[in-house]
Amino acid sequence: NAGVTQTPKFQVLKTGQSMTLQCAQDMNHEYMSWYRQDPGMGLRLIHYSVGAGITDQGEVPNGYNVSRSTTEDFPLRLLSAAPSQTSVYFCASTFGTVNSPLHFGNGTRLTVT
Amino acid sequence: DQQVKQNSPSLSVQEGRISILNCDYTNSMFDYFLWYKKYPAEGPTFLISISSIKDKNEDGRFTVFLNKSAKHLSLHIVPSQPGDSAVYFCAASAENDMRFGAGTRLTVKP
Repeated sequence: NAGVTQTPKFQVLKTGQSMTLQCAQDMNHEYMSWYRQDPGMGLRLIHYSVGAGITDQGEVPNGYNVSRSTTEDFPLRLLSAAPSQTSVYFCASTFGTVNSPLHFGNGTRLTVT
Repeated sequence: DQQVKQNSPSLSVQEGRISILNCDYTNSMFDYFLWYKKYPAEGPTFLISISSIKDKNEDGRFTVFLNKSAKHLSLHIVPSQPGDSAVYFCAASAENDMRFGAGTRLTVKP
């Protein structure tokens, strides 16, 4: 059972480039979310989805897009990368509501130069 | 505006002693609280949780205490073991919004 899989593990972008961070889960979880982790800031919610076809903004959504066409996949798109988006990104999922324990992927470390 | 705060960035304890990690929150709408543990190069993993209708929840060596009037929760680890060395995040949720603290790095010395 793979759990939550994130790809790539590392990525370096130049300012203005776009890219998609992939997230897939095989646990049939309805709730999926994206967080970024920055020093001294903890984990901040970017976007979340409570089911296929439904997405909503979290605490820091600007500069990011998401879609949820299937239950399994929840990609995060950076439209025009900025140095402020240098961070570690975590995808998480859970069955039911966010009160259920989240299962996290191992993260994607993104550097924007 | 950090709604969940962990004011101690680090904590060092001796093996066998108690570790106490603290967390404060500002939003009275939070109704569920969780602790996650994170090792380097891995994602956080769930440790223990507590609902706002309780004031204590225990699971083996881990106990979480909630003081709603003070908007404060704490995680007690007894006895602490070297394998407990990790970053601990406290989290609070209301509806579909979960907020995390900045984390406390716990080091348990043999």
